[in-house]
Amino acid sequence: DAGVTQSPTHLIKTRGQQVTLRCSPKSGHDTVSWYQQALGQGPQFIFQYYEEEERQRGNFPDRFSGHQYPNYSSELNVNALLLGDSALYLCASSRGQDATNEKLFFGSGTQLSVL
Amino acid sequence: EDKVVQSPLSLVVHEGDTVTLNCSYEVTNFRSLLWYKQEKKAPTFLFMLTSSGIEKKSGRLSSILDKKELFSILNITATQTGDSAVYLCAVEASFPVVNNRKLIWGLGTSLAVNP
Repeated sequence: DAGVTQSPTHLIKTRGQQVTLRCSPKSGHDTVSWYQQALGQGPQFIFQYYEEEERQRGNFPDRFSGHQYPNYSSELNVNALLLGDSALYLCASSRGQDATNEKLFFGSGTQLSVL
Repeated sequence: EDKVVQSPLSLVVHEGDTVTLNCSYEVTNFRSLLWYKQEKKAPTFLFMLTSSGIEKKSGRLSSILDKKELFSILNITATQTGDSAVYLCAVEASFPVVNNRKLIWGLGTSLAVNP
């Protein structure tokens, strides 16, 4: 039973470029949440997708957008990259939009470096 | 503003030592407090605490919540090198009007256990 898988594991981009990160949720899960974790910081909630719609959003600009597909996989897109976007991007999945947070399963993340 | 503060930020001990990690919070609409262990990349769930004074235990790890003083501790006894990780504390808050929940994360405590 595959857990949460994310790709790529590492990515290097330059300022102004665009990036797409991908996440496949754990089998049986239908809800995907994205987090940004800067070095030495705790994860910051970006948004959550359920039934192919964005259901909740954290305090992130519109440069951060996402998508969820019918198979529950999800993408995180970041436009006009800034140096400050360099971070570990974590995807977490759960079953049901209202699942309590102990049921979150995290992927290993994508380490994004913006030069 | 909601906040979660963990201490110490960093800790180095020898195998066999006992450690206590602290998490204090100021959060409105508190629902639960969660502890995660983050090795390398993916945080893994340890405990969820909702009631004061009830200790949760898993092997050498235990945790307790004090909702009056607004803090929790995570104890690790007889530490092993495999306990080396960042330990994250997160508080779940609810927003009844919009039926949303969010996690507010601390910065984590980096624990290094030396042989």
